[in-house]
Amino acid sequence: AQSVTQLDSQVPVFEEAPVELRCNYSSSVSVYLFWYVQYPNQGLQLLLKYLSGSTLVKGINGFEAEFNKSQTSFHLRKPSVHISDTAEYFCAVSFKAAGNKLTFGGGTRVLVKP
Amino acid sequence: EAGVAQSPRYKIIEKRQSVAFWCNPISGHATLYWYQQILGQGPKLLIQFQNNGVVDDSQLPKDRFSAERLKGVDSTLKIQPAKLEDSAVYLCASSPISDRANSGYTFGSGTRLTVV
Repeated sequence: AQSVTQLDSQVPVFEEAPVELRCNYSSSVSVYLFWYVQYPNQGLQLLLKYLSGSTLVKGINGFEAEFNKSQTSFHLRKPSVHISDTAEYFCAVSFKAAGNKLTFGGGTRVLVKP
Repeated sequence: EAGVAQSPRYKIIEKRQSVAFWCNPISGHATLYWYQQILGQGPKLLIQFQNNGVVDDSQLPKDRFSAERLKGVDSTLKIQPAKLEDSAVYLCASSPISDRANSGYTFGSGTRLTVV
């Protein structure tokens, strides 16, 4: 079965420190990969996506992610976080054999402390 | 461009009552999705429309949930009768093309349903 796993449900981090959010997927077919952010009481906003080409993808708000096909991972990083980065982050996968349907991980809540 | 509009933002109902949610996608977006997001979990796809036809409703609890997209634009999602476990945020999303997985989605702000 195809699935997405976010290994950390909650990540506390101090302001200006780096953060890494882990995402692994299982699939026997090619995939497209996405990271979304959800601020309190808001919908999901796309941070970045990997479709093909360079495995290092840069997104909005200083975030980047690296696709590792051999490890079936798509970890999200930011070198220096701000208080405003406090939110929930979701990794999502679109399996090419399943058309455009997105399958989401369980989410990682990032709490940035001053 | 205007975003995906959803209403109402919040709804509280008693179990066994019925409720309906409305979604207006981005103009011109052929594909519309309804997701259920239970607190502490990632969104789960309930139903996908392409224009006014259903593409995927395999995870829709059809004994109590129904959805329609008349005229291929607005959509409504209905729950009748509601159960306590239906408490969740219901997210609507739209995308321009369904056969290109890289087209990306635009999400609405969601409707938060509380069943008491």
